[in-house]
Formats: sequence, structure tokens, C-alpha cells
Amino acid sequence: QVQLQESGPGVVKPSETLSLTCGVSGDPISSDDYWGWIRQSPGKGLEWIASIFHRGITYYNPSLKNRVTISLDTAKNQFSLKLRSVTATDTALYYCARHSVYWFFDLWGHGTLVTVSS
Amino acid sequence: QSVLTQPPSASGTPGQRVTISCSGSSSNIGSNTVNWYQQLPGTAPKLLIFFNNQRPSGIPDRFSGSKSGTSASLAISGLQSEDEADYYCAAWDDSLDVYVFGLGTKITVL
Repeated sequence: QVQLQESGPGVVKPSETLSLTCGVSGDPISSDDYWGWIRQSPGKGLEWIASIFHRGITYYNPSLKNRVTISLDTAKNQFSLKLRSVTATDTALYYCARHSVYWFFDLWGHGTLVTVSS
Repeated sequence: QSVLTQPPSASGTPGQRVTISCSGSSSNIGSNTVNWYQQLPGTAPKLLIFFNNQRPSGIPDRFSGSKSGTSASLAISGLQSEDEADYYCAAWDDSLDVYVFGLGTKITVL
């Protein structure tokens, strides 16, 4: 059974970098699947952030592209998200998820709450 | 706001049929497939419908999706109490170059 598990700091100070990791079990991250991050905040609903394919192909939400980096670690079978220069508007529940080339997200992690606060 | 427009809420009694609309444009629903996600309270979203009308394994056939032009719909027939959740439509938008979600529709079972 494939499972995704997010991990991260919980609280990040304004202007700092938010770093999250998604551990994948039961599915090699080098498969033909795509891996992505989505966040959910009360004010903006669900927002896709970024996705990556193991052949080094990345996709970014244009509204966040300047601050975001997504990467893969095939040795650890996990992928990561870095969001720089965070502000209070980046406070959200962050989900990692798997999707196909056809852009439907068929497997989600439980989510991890990140609060931006000093 | 979102480029995909959904009603904020809908309701029905057990056994009824409820329909949720999702209105978009030629750059999203009009040119790409629509997916629907169900989010039960306190849980992560779950894929409910993909490719406009396909159900993943394990999703009851009470849930059905359709698409016409720049709009899509999700229908829940034989509404059950466990269907109380938020439902989101989503699609890729070619103009914005982004995967977009609607703001969600909260289904209440009366």
C-alpha cells in the first residue's frame, strides 16, 4: 500500500525558508508518477504549489515560482519543498500528493500544518 | 477567488440526488479534463472523479461526473450522511499554466 507522509517544522518565522519533506513508501519515486505539493488555507482554498517528475522535470505555480523549489531524493525515496521569504499568508496545511501525467492527484498525505509566526 | 466557480453550499435529504456545478472557461474545463475531490471533515482530499467521469477503484457508483463545454458537474445520487463533505472541482488551465481548484462546495445532508 502506497503511503505519503509529510514532515516539517510546524512554525516558521517571517522572511525565513519553509522546508518540507514527503516520505513515500510502497512506490518508487523514480516510477512514472509525478509528485506534488498542494496547500490549503482558509482564505484561498486548495492551491497547487509545484510538481516534479523523476527525470528532472519540474512544474511551478507561476504565482509562487520565484520563491519555490521542489526536489527529489531517490536514495531516500522522498521529495521536498522549499518556500523562501515566507509571510503570514503562507500559513496553511501543506499536503504532498501523487499525480499522473494527466494531472489528477490520486494519493495524498495527511497534511502538515505550517504556521508563519515570529 | 478561483477561475473555477462552484456554489459554496448545497444540501439534500438522505436518498436524494444532489448536483454540484463547476463553471470554467475555454482555457481550463473547455480544453482539459476535470477532476473532483471529496474532503471529509479533518481529512485530506480524496480523488473522486478523474477524466471528467471516471471513478477510481473503491468509489461508489452513486458518484458521477459529466462535462459539457466549459462546465462540469458532479452528481451524488442516493445521498447518504457520510457524503457530508467539501467537494472540489479541478483542472489544468492552459492560459495560467497552473492546476486550479474551485473554492469548494459544502454538501450538507439534512
